[in-house]
Amino acid sequence: NAGVTQTPKFRVLKTGQSMTLLCAQDMNHEYMYWYRQDPGMGLRLIHYSVGEGTTAKGEVPDGYNVSRLKKQNFLLGLESAAPSQTSVYFCASSPRELAGYYNEQFFGPGTRLTVL
Amino acid sequence: AQKVTQAQTEISVVEKEDVTLDCVYETRDTTYYLFWYKQPPSGELVFLIRRNSFDEQNEISGRYSWNFQKSTSSFNFTITASQVVDSAVYFCALHPISNFGNEKLTFGTGTRLTIIP
Repeated sequence: NAGVTQTPKFRVLKTGQSMTLLCAQDMNHEYMYWYRQDPGMGLRLIHYSVGEGTTAKGEVPDGYNVSRLKKQNFLLGLESAAPSQTSVYFCASSPRELAGYYNEQFFGPGTRLTVL
Repeated sequence: AQKVTQAQTEISVVEKEDVTLDCVYETRDTTYYLFWYKQPPSGELVFLIRRNSFDEQNEISGRYSWNFQKSTSSFNFTITASQVVDSAVYFCALHPISNFGNEKLTFGTGTRLTIIP
C-alpha cells in the first residue's frame, strides 16, 4: 500500500496563477483533510471531507477550493495564488469515526508551494 | 473551542540525555483524544501515540513514554537516552469527541528537538 500520496512535491507559482494539488489514498478511508503548515503555527485545517461528494470548511479556507469526486482522491485548488499561500501543504486521511472513538490521521509527504 | 500549547519552541540536548516535551491543552469537552506526531527532517508526519481522555495510565514504548494528567490538562512526552535519530519537530494534538460530528484535530505549534552527538 502506498498510503497517502501527494502530487506534486514542489511547485513555484506566480501571483495570480492557479493550480491543483492532488491527494490520493489507497486505504479506503472515509475522511480526508487538507492542512497547511507555516513556521511557528503548527498545522491548520483548510478543508476536509467526510465522504465522497462532501466537503466542508476548516479553520483557514479562504482562497482555496476542494473537491472529492472519488473516495480515494481529494483535490485542493488555488484559483488565484497569493504570496500568503506560500506554505507546505499536507493531506491526511482517516477511517470513519465510530461512536466515541477517533482514529489517528495518516499524512502524506507534503507539497512545498512557493508563490512569488 | 480547543487549544493546544507547546511552550517549548526549541530544545537541544546532548545524545543519551533524557528530554521531556510539554503539552498543555484546553477543551470544554469531557471526552477527547490526545495525540503525538513526529516530523523528522524529511518532512512527513509520523503518528506516535493516541490517548483517550478516560485512560490516564502512563504509557511506555521503548525509549518513549507519555504522562497524561487530566488534573493539569497535560500530556507530556519523554524520550529516555536520546539518540540523534530523535531529532525532529514533535506535535501534540487534541481531538474532542461530541455528538455533533464536526470536531477537528487541533495541533500545537510544535517543539523542535535537536539531539547533539
